[in-house]
Amino acid sequence: DAGVTQSPTHLIKTRGQHVTLRCSPISGHKSVSWYQQVLGQGPQFIFQYYEKEERGRGNFPDRFSARQFPNYSSELNVNALLLGDSALYLCASSTDRGQGGHNSPLHFGNGTRLTVT
Amino acid sequence: GQNIDQPTEMTATEGAIVQINCTYQTSGFNGLFWYQQHAGEAPTFLSYNVLDGLEEKGRFSSFLSRSKGYSYLLLKELQMKDSASYLCAVNSAAGNKLTFGGGTRVLVKP
Repeated sequence: DAGVTQSPTHLIKTRGQHVTLRCSPISGHKSVSWYQQVLGQGPQFIFQYYEKEERGRGNFPDRFSARQFPNYSSELNVNALLLGDSALYLCASSTDRGQGGHNSPLHFGNGTRLTVT
Repeated sequence: GQNIDQPTEMTATEGAIVQINCTYQTSGFNGLFWYQQHAGEAPTFLSYNVLDGLEEKGRFSSFLSRSKGYSYLLLKELQMKDSASYLCAVNSAAGNKLTFGGGTRVLVKP
C-alpha cells in the first residue's frame, strides 16, 4: 500500500509569493493533518481536516489556509510568504475522526521542504 | 498553554540502553505518542500510551505516569540505525492534534 504522498518535495519561493502544497492520504484514511517543522524543532500543528470539514486549527496566521477534497486529498496554501515560513511541511493521515473517538497514530509523508528567499 | 520538554541530545554506545525522558504540561490529556525521525525523513510511529504503565514493543518500550506528567522511551540493544531524533507528542484535545516536543537527537557510536 502506498503511504502518504506529498508534492512537491522541494520548493523555493521569494517573499510575498504564495505556495500550494499537496497531500494524498493513505487509502481509507479520511483525516488529514498538516504540520510545520522548522529545522531542529518538533512539528507544529497547523490544521486537521476530516470528511472535508476543518476539525482543528493551530496558532498560525490567516495567511495559512487548507482544504480537503472529496477523495480526501488535501492542499495547504500559504499567502504572502515570509522568510520565517521556511520549513518542512508535513502532511499526516489517520483514521481518526477528529472527535476523540479513538486514537490512531498519524502516518506522515516525507514532507515538502519550502525555502523562502 | 502546552509545554513538552525532552533533552536535546544523547549519545550512547552500540548494544547499550538509552532512556529518553519527556515531561509535559498540557491543558488536557488524551494519549502520548513517540515517533522516530531520521534526518530528512518523515516521523514514523513507535508507541502510544494512554494509561499508566509500560508498553513493550521489541527493543523499544515506553512508560507513562499521568499524575507526574512524565513519559520515557527506552531503547535497548542499540544499533547504529537507531541514530535519529525521537519525538514525544501529546494529544491534549479531542482528535489527533498533537503537540510535539523539540525532539531528542540520539547518536549511537560503535
